[in-house]
Amino acid sequence: GAVVSQHPSRVICKSGTSVKIECRSLDFQATTMFWYRQFPKQSLMLMATSNEGSKATYEQGVEKDKFLINHASLTLSTLTVTSAHPEDSSFYICSARGGHSRFFGPGTRLTVL
Amino acid sequence: KNEVEQSPQNLTAQEGEFITINCSYSVGISALHWLQQHPGGGIVSLFMLSSGKKKHGRLIATINIQEKHSSLHITASHPRDSAVYICAARGGYGGSQGNLIFGKGTKLSVKP
Repeated sequence: GAVVSQHPSRVICKSGTSVKIECRSLDFQATTMFWYRQFPKQSLMLMATSNEGSKATYEQGVEKDKFLINHASLTLSTLTVTSAHPEDSSFYICSARGGHSRFFGPGTRLTVL
Repeated sequence: KNEVEQSPQNLTAQEGEFITINCSYSVGISALHWLQQHPGGGIVSLFMLSSGKKKHGRLIATINIQEKHSSLHITASHPRDSAVYICAARGGYGGSQGNLIFGKGTKLSVKP
């Protein structure tokens, strides 16, 4: 079946640094990718929707200058957390739409010290 | 009130039991997803339903569009089924199209 990969799976960084998370659709082309964050024992919260070749659409309350999303190709979207702070520590999950189906990446656990 | 409600929030079962997890939604949808999230965090899409019933192995998902209700059943449950099961409704109209509205999840623990 279709596979979505994320890299890295886990990252620990110092406050103030930037972290890039990659999301790849491995065997299909994803015109739309979604980025979610999940706090412990909470449901997934949509951060932004990215369409290949165009600017991402951010959900209300999500700072687009802090969470930079680039969807440069049909198989790759990146999320960069700029100037990360401890409150950005979370589990970040991407999802790619293939046809009518939705496939999820394994997630990236970000810890900001 | 959440647009997607799941019950129960937590469920403990003995190996071999038949399990039912319920999902009710209040929005118009084009499809409903059932997802499985293991303790490590990765999410697997189990089913996508727009009507009727689907079966995959020991898992069965049903949806009643008129009643805005879906159920996920697990037959002959096994400890490896222990996970959080999440239902997610996909909006069908306008700006919500494609976005998923997630339930809070049902944490299932199957004891040997």
